[in-house]
Amino acid sequence: GAGVSQTPSNKVTEKGKYVELRCDPISGHTALYWYRQSLGQGPEFLIYFQGTGAADDSGLPNDRFFAVRPEGSVSTLKIQRTERGDSAVYLCASSSAGGVEQYFGPGTRLTVT
Amino acid sequence: GENVEQHPSTLSVQEGDSAVIKCTYSDSASNYFPWYKQELGKGPQLIIDIRSNVGEKKDQRIAVTLNKTAKHFSLHITETQPEDSAVYFCAAEPNTPLVFGKGTRLSVIA
Repeated sequence: GAGVSQTPSNKVTEKGKYVELRCDPISGHTALYWYRQSLGQGPEFLIYFQGTGAADDSGLPNDRFFAVRPEGSVSTLKIQRTERGDSAVYLCASSSAGGVEQYFGPGTRLTVT
Repeated sequence: GENVEQHPSTLSVQEGDSAVIKCTYSDSASNYFPWYKQELGKGPQLIIDIRSNVGEKKDQRIAVTLNKTAKHFSLHITETQPEDSAVYFCAAEPNTPLVFGKGTRLSVIA
């Protein structure tokens, strides 16, 4: 079956611009996670949705970062006033109701120039 | 919060030899420990996991062991093949989000 998909695969933006990154989870998965991976590091947690609501947003670095999942399926990560330090690969994962296994998408590589 | 340490950061083995990657964690509340394989330009792929009520789990050439008392767990790959070359990450789950180690770059030399 189809896995987690993320668009775009690559995004280059200028410092100060606004960007949106999209995640389509595995069909039927109720939990959705956003992680950020810097070069040479493991993924770091940003935010977790259970259904439509953010169950844990403790990993968001500051108020420039925001994420939504209005219908409990697709999620969008939004970054305002981008900074060069935001450059990283943004990964999305999903898991089924009651499941602990998290399945990752291919990521969006964000470059802020 | 949870802290996961992973060693070694790089590992080179001859094809056919075994590879072992070790991780330690700090939060005794962690009860789920997955391992991911990440190839260049791709997202992490779940390859095996273990729960805190199990000491060892095996799936073909890969196995994972868990020592809850010592708070460490290990990945074992036997009969390594060139296609095993990748970055491997361990993780621990104290509640829901995963906490990852920094990764091990495994190179299998043919």
